[in-house]
Amino acid sequence: QQQVKQSPQSLIVQKGGISIINCAYENTAFDYFPWYQQFPGKGPALLIAIRPDVSEKKEGRFTISFNKSAKQFSLHIMDSQPGDSATYFCAASEGGSEKLVFGKGTKLTVNP
Amino acid sequence: DVKVTQSSRYLVKRTGEKVFLECVQDMDHENMFWYRQDPGLGLRLIYFSYDVKMKEKGDIPEGYSVSREKKERFSLILESASTNQTSMYLCASRVGLNEQFFGPGTRLTVL
Repeated sequence: QQQVKQSPQSLIVQKGGISIINCAYENTAFDYFPWYQQFPGKGPALLIAIRPDVSEKKEGRFTISFNKSAKQFSLHIMDSQPGDSATYFCAASEGGSEKLVFGKGTKLTVNP
Repeated sequence: DVKVTQSSRYLVKRTGEKVFLECVQDMDHENMFWYRQDPGLGLRLIYFSYDVKMKEKGDIPEGYSVSREKKERFSLILESASTNQTSMYLCASRVGLNEQFFGPGTRLTVL
């Protein structure tokens, strides 16, 4: 049973474009939604995270949009750069739980 | 900076061997995790530990065991390695409900 569904599996964007990755969840007890970025040969690293008391969080070119009623959240990368080429994972955790549930990942390629 | 280190970046073992993967974190985190990462399947939790000598099964514990004798060290053990355990293994640590920090991963090949 996949608790966090991530799409698309892969994404190709031109430099300067907007990259959008979507995640959907079923468990309404989830209250922490991070995005991780993983470069080849490295472990994932936290990119940005949101809690459901806000609908949007922005850090530089990266924005999380959160829709609690639709149980969806998305990552937007503005002005995408070749250096953003990586695999992105969304995740979620339930209040009081140490465990994160991860989506299956999106491989982003930004062409120069 | 938090540092999570894994004992090997690449490991090649034979079927039936006992394999130890070691992970060390330097930030006194209570929680430590072992995941395996496979293409198209994302990160799947094998085991996690919330304190010394404490452990809980994750989503795919079969064929694995763990050991946590010291707070900073969390070991993953493959009792009898099989080819379907060929994968990337990632260790992570976390304090409370905050950011989870990952190590660089160990790519294990079982022949």
